[in-house]
Amino acid sequence: EIVMTQSPATLSVSPGERATLSCRASQSVNSNLAWYQQKPGQAPRLLIYGASTRATGIPARFSGSGSGTEFTLTISSLQSEDFAIYYCQQYNNWPQTFGQGTKVEIK
Amino acid sequence: QVQLVESGGGVVQPGGSLRLSCVASGFTFSNSGMHWVRQAPGKGLEWVTFILYDGSNEYYADSVKGRFTISRDNSKNTLYLHMNSLRAEDTAVYYCAKDALRLGYYFDYWGQGTLVTVSS
Repeated sequence: EIVMTQSPATLSVSPGERATLSCRASQSVNSNLAWYQQKPGQAPRLLIYGASTRATGIPARFSGSGSGTEFTLTISSLQSEDFAIYYCQQYNNWPQTFGQGTKVEIK
Repeated sequence: QVQLVESGGGVVQPGGSLRLSCVASGFTFSNSGMHWVRQAPGKGLEWVTFILYDGSNEYYADSVKGRFTISRDNSKNTLYLHMNSLRAEDTAVYYCAKDALRLGYYFDYWGQGTLVTVSS
């Protein structure tokens, strides 16, 4: 199965600053990559699919890029509601696999 | 709006069985592929199983193959997960999730989850 590796494990950022999260696949997943946000006690929420397309209702400060094996989620100016755990997921091959998550915390 | 409501979780002994349900509303359930995804306490997300919109095909993670069965009743807008031979490592919150593209890709809507605890 494809292994997804996210870095860093924890990212400390001040409100208003930019956050850059990375996700690497053990083999090419083309652009079949999604990002999710999860807050404590809540279900994950879809942010990005197709590596760079924002899901319905997702603010423009969230952007995704990359293809093949290297992907990035950027939050341009962190708001208080953005502090959460972020997961990448590949859906190019069965089984779908997730990264281990990046926790974005307040600096 | 899309709603997915899971139920059926609880405490079960190792080797026991449990059936989870997920009632869907706000979209055409019979046109949608559906998944179960789980999350062990304090851990990340793990895809468990997927069923095609018409129930004609199913996929399973190796960790549950032969023990779990996914099914659906399109007349009741309900998804099921039958879990047998449960192990401690199956302890997790189980989410049902709607597939965005019918055929097993990414998850555009999630339920709130139901907790399964396997313990003696």
